[in-house]
This record gives sequence, structure tokens and C-alpha cells, in this order.
Amino acid sequence: AQSVTQLDSQVPVFEEAPVELRCNYSSSVSVYLFWYVQYPNQGLQLLLKYLSGSTLVKGINGFEAEFNKSQTSFHLRKPSVHISDTAEYFCAVSDGSNDYKLSFGAGTTVTVRA
Amino acid sequence: NAGVTQTPKFRVLKTGQSMTLLCAQDMNHEYMYWYRQDPGMGLRLIHYSVGEGTTAKGEVPDGYNVSRLKKQNFLLGLESAAPSQTSVYFCASSTAGGLHFGNGTRLTVT
Repeated sequence: AQSVTQLDSQVPVFEEAPVELRCNYSSSVSVYLFWYVQYPNQGLQLLLKYLSGSTLVKGINGFEAEFNKSQTSFHLRKPSVHISDTAEYFCAVSDGSNDYKLSFGAGTTVTVRA
Repeated sequence: NAGVTQTPKFRVLKTGQSMTLLCAQDMNHEYMYWYRQDPGMGLRLIHYSVGEGTTAKGEVPDGYNVSRLKKQNFLLGLESAAPSQTSVYFCASSTAGGLHFGNGTRLTVT
């Protein structure tokens, strides 16, 4: 089974500053990679995904992520955050098998301050 | 546009009691999953189903059972609840493009 490591459990950031959330996964022949966001007392919402093709993936709300196969990483970035980006972010990986189940990282809590 | 609906939203059980969590999806997805979310541990897969009438164990299946009698429904059962099962439970359904989650059930076992 895949394992996912999110290197930062808490990331405080000022409004309009850039943010990067780091994610590494255990190696596999092929993987599908995802970032989800969870706002307080809600379910998880898909931010973006990498299935194949371009290694730079753009998602909703101005987020983007880059797949780096050699470093087995899938870091999430946003050039300028808003207060509304305060949430918990989860990196997830599927090993490409046909049951599509995901393994999740422990999550990174982003707190945006004015 | 319901998506994935979980009932109930909240529940408090006493140790040893049983209950069933219901998940319903209206997207005609073949694949459905039950995860539990605990602080600092992310989401861990309990059981999943790749189609009507089929189920499989995930990472943390002990103490739980599931059934998928209809394609749109996926039930999670706790036969004898324990305090260690206090958690937030999420159901999801899937295509190859990623999982769609319900809003969760917060379960407390005292």
C-alpha cells in the first residue's frame, strides 16, 4: 500500500503571502495524486489531481501542484492566499489499481492571518 | 444535486451498543468507501466496495461490517461499539477521477 507524508502539520501564513504545502509518497510504478481541502465541519473537496500528462496541475481557487516523479513529491502552492483559504489540506495517492482507493496523508492545517 | 449523503450527522453511543451508518450516492458510481478521520492521522480506509454485492477490507476493518445490497447505498455497521471507535466517519464514492465525499458522521462512544 502507498504511504503519504505531509511534511508540515501546521502552516501559519499572512494574507496575500504565498504558501507551499509539501507532500511525499512512497514510490510505485504509477500513481494518481490528489489534493483535497476540508473546511471546518465539512467533508473533503477535491482541489486538484494528477492522473497523467503535464506535471504542473492547476486546480480550483488558484491552487496548483507539481508532480515530481524522481523526488516522489506532489507539493501544493498558491501565490497569494486569502482568509478564506484557512482549512485543512490533505494529500492523497492511489496506486493506479482498479479499485481507485486512496491513501491519505495526516493533513496540513493552514491558518491565514490578516 | 445531492451527491453523497450520510445519515445520521451526529450520534452518541454507549460502549457495547450497535448502530448502522447509511451512505447514499446519486451519481451512479460503482465504487464506494468508508473512511474514519482522527486528529493527526488523516483518513484511514475501513472497508470499500467495487460494485453491488461486493465488499473488501481496508486498512482498519476490525470492529466494523459493511453491506452493499444496492448500488447507491453503502452501510457501515458497528456491532459492539468501543470508545476507540469515537471518530468522524466519511463515506465516499468514486470514478477514476477521484473521490466524492459526504459531510461526515460524528460518532462518540462513551
